[in-house]
Amino acid sequence: QKEVEQDPGPLSVPEGAIVSLNCTYSNSAFQYFMWYRQYSRKGPELLMYTYSSGNKEDGRFTAQVDKSSKYISLFIRDSQPSDSATYLCAMRFKAAGNKLTFGGGTRVLVKP
Amino acid sequence: NAGVTQTPKFRVLKTGQSMTLLCAQDMNHEYMYWYRQDPGMGLRLIHYSVGEGTTAKGEVPDGYNVSRLKKQNFLLGLESAAPSQTSVYFCASTEPGTSGFRTDTQYFGPGTRLTVL
Repeated sequence: QKEVEQDPGPLSVPEGAIVSLNCTYSNSAFQYFMWYRQYSRKGPELLMYTYSSGNKEDGRFTAQVDKSSKYISLFIRDSQPSDSATYLCAMRFKAAGNKLTFGGGTRVLVKP
Repeated sequence: NAGVTQTPKFRVLKTGQSMTLLCAQDMNHEYMYWYRQDPGMGLRLIHYSVGEGTTAKGEVPDGYNVSRLKKQNFLLGLESAAPSQTSVYFCASTEPGTSGFRTDTQYFGPGTRLTVL
């Protein structure tokens, strides 16, 4: 079993819809949680960062962390075709090296 | 700033051949990483470095070697390529620290697509 599980999709939604993405993890020692966005044939770029449980909002993006359930979510409101990408969750321990463990990524398609 | 650059962008090797992938960053970051990305597997850490002259193994280090002779460069070597090493390789860098947005922002290069026949 992978340490971080993520539905590969693809997830297809009409423009303007809410996109809901999630990851589950098995190691309760993870403390820092991130979402990266990766466009086709590009490197990933950090989208959202949260520490421990709770919500964080940035524009149309909301990240949620539920440590008791070992579950993190990303919501994209008013989705746009430019949001079409692969979204990777990532997390790490409070340890030297800042090593990240990634989920497999979910491919999202927003249709005009 | 160019950020993180990777050379080459594409490469085709035959089984048993060797090659070196070069990663360069101009952000003066201490930490650098090499990942491979395979369909459905996300990014898996191969090796990483927390400073010039230091390297450490990641999740999937077998068949790869690395060197960090200069702070801005991180080299990934394949001594005897195998078809299982066909993948997209990404380099990343970040600043050291215990927590915070800046220390968890790993800046990625554009990737190297490697095919081993």
